[in-house]
Amino acid sequence: AQSVTQLDSQVPVFEEAPVELRCNYSSSVSVYLFWYVQYPNQGLQLLLKYLSGSTLVKGINGFEAEFNKSQTSFHLRKPSVHISDTAEYFCAVSDRTDSSYKLIFGSGTRLLVRP
Amino acid sequence: DVKVTQSSRYLVKRTGEKVFLECVQDMDHENMFWYRQDPGLGLRLIYFSYDVKMKEKGDIPEGYSVSREKKERFSLILESASTNQTSMYLCASSYYRVGVPLHFGNGTRLTVT
Repeated sequence: AQSVTQLDSQVPVFEEAPVELRCNYSSSVSVYLFWYVQYPNQGLQLLLKYLSGSTLVKGINGFEAEFNKSQTSFHLRKPSVHISDTAEYFCAVSDRTDSSYKLIFGSGTRLLVRP
Repeated sequence: DVKVTQSSRYLVKRTGEKVFLECVQDMDHENMFWYRQDPGLGLRLIYFSYDVKMKEKGDIPEGYSVSREKKERFSLILESASTNQTSMYLCASSYYRVGVPLHFGNGTRLTVT
């Protein structure tokens, strides 16, 4: 069964610094990959997704992620963070062979941006 | 904009009560999902449905059931609430197509005392 690992439970960073949030998935079968963000007291919003094509995917709010098939990774990056980026970030994977199209989520990484 | 509405933001129930969590979406999505969110565990899938009256178990279905009588509505039922079901419950919906994102509601924080 597919699984997703987000090794960092919390990432503190200063405002305007770059950040990388790590995500690895378990299986090398064809997958779709997603990053979601959750602001306090809200549901999850889609940041970006990888379906096929270019391995570098750009999303909203200046975030981007790179799909690396050999390392089964999909790390999220932003070159300069803002206070408003403080939130919890979830990586998710959908197995292309699974006709239910359900998503499997990682445990989340809390990004804490300090002034 | 897609809207997924969960009927309650906060619920407090007693052990042994039957609890209903309601979710409605307005985009004619075929798929609907119930996830449970706990600190350090991320989101875990409880049940999902890809059509009216259809349901499939997710990873943690024990102690839960679901109902989908209409396409836009998906209910999660706790037959006899227990304290270990205290959690944040998130409903989501999507089209029945590969690679489409989920649209989430704002969640229901359930406390069972």
